[in-house]
Amino acid sequence: GENVEQHPSTLSVQEGDSAVIKCTYSDSASNYFPWYKQELGKRPQLIIDIRSNVGEKKDQRIAVTLNKTAKHFSLHITETQPEDSAVYFCAASKGEYGNKLVFGAGTILRVKS
Amino acid sequence: NAGVTQTPKFRVLKTGQSMTLLCAQDMNHEYMYWYRQDPGMGLRLIHYSVGEGTTAKGEVPDGYNVSRLKKQNFLLGLESAAPSQTSVYFCASSFKGWTYNSPLHFGNGTRLTVT
Repeated sequence: GENVEQHPSTLSVQEGDSAVIKCTYSDSASNYFPWYKQELGKRPQLIIDIRSNVGEKKDQRIAVTLNKTAKHFSLHITETQPEDSAVYFCAASKGEYGNKLVFGAGTILRVKS
Repeated sequence: NAGVTQTPKFRVLKTGQSMTLLCAQDMNHEYMYWYRQDPGMGLRLIHYSVGEGTTAKGEVPDGYNVSRLKKQNFLLGLESAAPSQTSVYFCASSFKGWTYNSPLHFGNGTRLTVT
């Protein structure tokens, strides 16, 4: 089955700097890659997702890149702000019925002001 | 529109006790899921349902049972709680399965401690 590895487990950046979180997946048939953000004590929420037929997607300060050949995808946050502090989870699936979404272990992002 | 509502928010059980977690969604979603969240292990799927009257096993189903008698409700049961089931449990729902344009909508979670 699918296996998703996420790095780093914790990341501290200065406010205004960029943050990058990387994930690798094992199943080359996976074609859907969402990212969820979970603030302390709250529920996870989708912040961005990408399909395998797209190499990059951007939404304001966040972007996701996908390298299908290397089977890895990354979350990029620019101009970080204190409210970006949270746990971020990547995930992968084949995007079809019965092909479950597998999550990475999560990255704790701390933005220092 | 409340979204996904979980009850209770907190619960403490003794080993061997049983309990049921209730999840309700008002978005008319077909798919519902139960995940557990443990430090350093991300979100792991326990059971899921693709429609009323259906259930299926996820990654870590042992020790849990589920039922989906009504489309809007998905119940998670622990028949004989064990300390290894101490975790935060999240219910989620989605319009379709794990696919684009069908994000998971999570509840607020239930923190369960088994002593």
